Amino acid sequence: NAGVTQTPKFQVLKTGQSMTLQCAQDMNHEYMSWYRQDPGMGLRLIHYSVGAGITDQGEVPNGYNVSRSTTEDFPLRLLSAAPSQTSVYFCASSYQGGTSTDTQYFGPGTRLTVL
Amino acid sequence: DAKTTQPNSMESNEEEPVHLPCNHSTISGTDYIHWYRQLPSQGPEYVIHGLTSNVNNRMASLAIAEDRKSSTLILHRATLRDAAVYYCIPRSGGFKTIFGAGTRLFVKA
Repeated sequence: NAGVTQTPKFQVLKTGQSMTLQCAQDMNHEYMSWYRQDPGMGLRLIHYSVGAGITDQGEVPNGYNVSRSTTEDFPLRLLSAAPSQTSVYFCASSYQGGTSTDTQYFGPGTRLTVL
Repeated sequence: DAKTTQPNSMESNEEEPVHLPCNHSTISGTDYIHWYRQLPSQGPEYVIHGLTSNVNNRMASLAIAEDRKSSTLILHRATLRDAAVYYCIPRSGGFKTIFGAGTRLFVKA
């Protein structure tokens, strides 16, 4: 199993550009999520999905869109990049997501810089 | 969600045991206590979780206080590869996992 994969590893954007961060998992997990991590901080939840066709907002959803057309993929779209979105983005997946015993598997991250 | 308090940083010598504390005094009776760690430039990885009794796995042990208001992650013999940020996370079963700032563990050779 590859686990959770993310592409690209690094990306530089100019303010106002749009892009999509890719996330895929091969563990047949229902739950997937996106976090951002700013320097020296913990992770903050952006959006999550409990299954194909179902998404919901996390703590910091503004400026980001998601969709979940398949179980495997959960892309994160930046509609109009801003310098405040400079961060490291992590995708995670887990079997169900809604139980107190569920454990998450994280991808290696995408380091995004917006100039 | 229960709030947690962890030391900002801790230091250990290689080959010695490390006890990483976490206070979660507002935890509810059904919250499991999860620990994750984040190695430098990597995504977080699951370490261990438990409800009431102490738990062991190949990575660590988790000691949970009888009143469940605190817990301690125990690394039995720290190695340089254990240098990471350790997060203590009470989980109540919702879909939003809240990460705090965690404890940064430094391991000296």
